[in-house]
Amino acid sequence: GEDVEQSLFLSVREGDSSVINCTYTDSSSTYLYWYKQEPGAGLQLLTYIFSNMDMKQDQRLTVLLNKKDKHLSLRIADTQTGDSAIYFCAEWDYKLSFGAGTTVTVRA
Amino acid sequence: KAGVTQTPRYLIKTRGQQVTLSCSPISGHRSVSWYQQTPGQGLQFLFEYFSETQRNKGNFPGRFSGRQFSNSRSEMNVSTLELGDSALYLCASSLGEGTEKLFFGSGTQLSVL
Repeated sequence: GEDVEQSLFLSVREGDSSVINCTYTDSSSTYLYWYKQEPGAGLQLLTYIFSNMDMKQDQRLTVLLNKKDKHLSLRIADTQTGDSAIYFCAEWDYKLSFGAGTTVTVRA
Repeated sequence: KAGVTQTPRYLIKTRGQQVTLSCSPISGHRSVSWYQQTPGQGLQFLFEYFSETQRNKGNFPGRFSGRQFSNSRSEMNVSTLELGDSALYLCASSLGEGTEKLFFGSGTQLSVL
């Protein structure tokens, strides 16, 4: 579970949907997470999914999991300026292993 | 319910000094984990304490240590500071029962000069 990879940057227009992608390597059952970090702040837990699930929806957030490809995505519907932040995916294996983070910039 | 509280928020130290950071977890949480965040290495796991015992440890030198008290509050200590120890140190708390949701504090920003 050491290699979690994410694309580094995403620019999206306000009101559009954002899709942030992540790949992980651990093949065992585990929890997968999405965290948000705003400038000068800690990590905010957005949502999580267990690896035996395909999808989880929570208000504007939808998590999709493709177990075969070990691919995780976070979709943010109706993206707002307050969604500008760094988003980290992480997998659990007695500790959190994080990706490098995707910087999301929302433009008007 | 109060969140995870870390103190101090900022610290400036010089090389060779030592530093102690404090973390108060969410009430009822028995596990406290520490992570280091740097621009170059990203987020890396330091160690986890559960019921006053170190349960897991990351790949950091022995200069990094921690402890947990009976009220679940935790401290981490870094001795003989090096320039490369400059980082945001994040504390996370959880119930510690296996189905983990980790909640993070705002962090302590340590600058080593």
